[in-house]
Amino acid sequence: SQQGEEDPQALSIQEGENATMNCSYKTSINNLQWYRQNSGRGLVHLILIRSNEREKHSGRLRVTLDTSKKSSSLLITASRAADTASYFCATDNYGQNFVFGPGTRLSVLP
Amino acid sequence: DAGITQSPRHKVTETGTPVTLRCHQTENHRYMYWYRQDPGHGLRLIHYSYGVKDTDKGEVSDGYSVSRSKTEDFLLTLESATSSQTSVYFCAISDSSSYNEQFFGPGTRLTVL
Repeated sequence: SQQGEEDPQALSIQEGENATMNCSYKTSINNLQWYRQNSGRGLVHLILIRSNEREKHSGRLRVTLDTSKKSSSLLITASRAADTASYFCATDNYGQNFVFGPGTRLSVLP
Repeated sequence: DAGITQSPRHKVTETGTPVTLRCHQTENHRYMYWYRQDPGHGLRLIHYSYGVKDTDKGEVSDGYSVSRSKTEDFLLTLESATSSQTSVYFCAISDSSSYNEQFFGPGTRLTVL
């Protein structure tokens, strides 16, 4: 069974708009990470947020974590065509290794 | 990409044949992982290693075995490939089991006919 579930499964926006993806999980976590995957490539780490953190920023990325709702969101501001990719959340369940969700496919149209 | 290579990058094989995929790293990271990626499932952990000769099963380990005789190499073997093992396989490495990002290899696309 999957720990993380991203929502929506697919998202299409215009360049310059903001993109928001959500991740829900089921059990307590140690930390949560977001990864990006360009078509045909391996995953690339974007950001890690620990269970005692509520918000984190990295460039145009903003991640929030709500442990009471067991959910996280990834916001990409001022999106670019190069942001077109699949985005995955991965949860670390206290040493039981990361569990990845099925991902959100983001398309940024020029 | 961090110093991770996978070989082969593409392979087509027939049901019942053995297949070995290789992951090689130059980062000297302790942890190495094998995942498979299938549509609608994200990445699922097959096996992982926390040191030379130290391995453990992941979520979908049935039909797979691994070996790690050197820090830099992690081998994934399908003893008798089945069509359900058609997938894209990713190797990943990490400095730590937690609080550290995983670095992924470019993937191996395996087709079992």
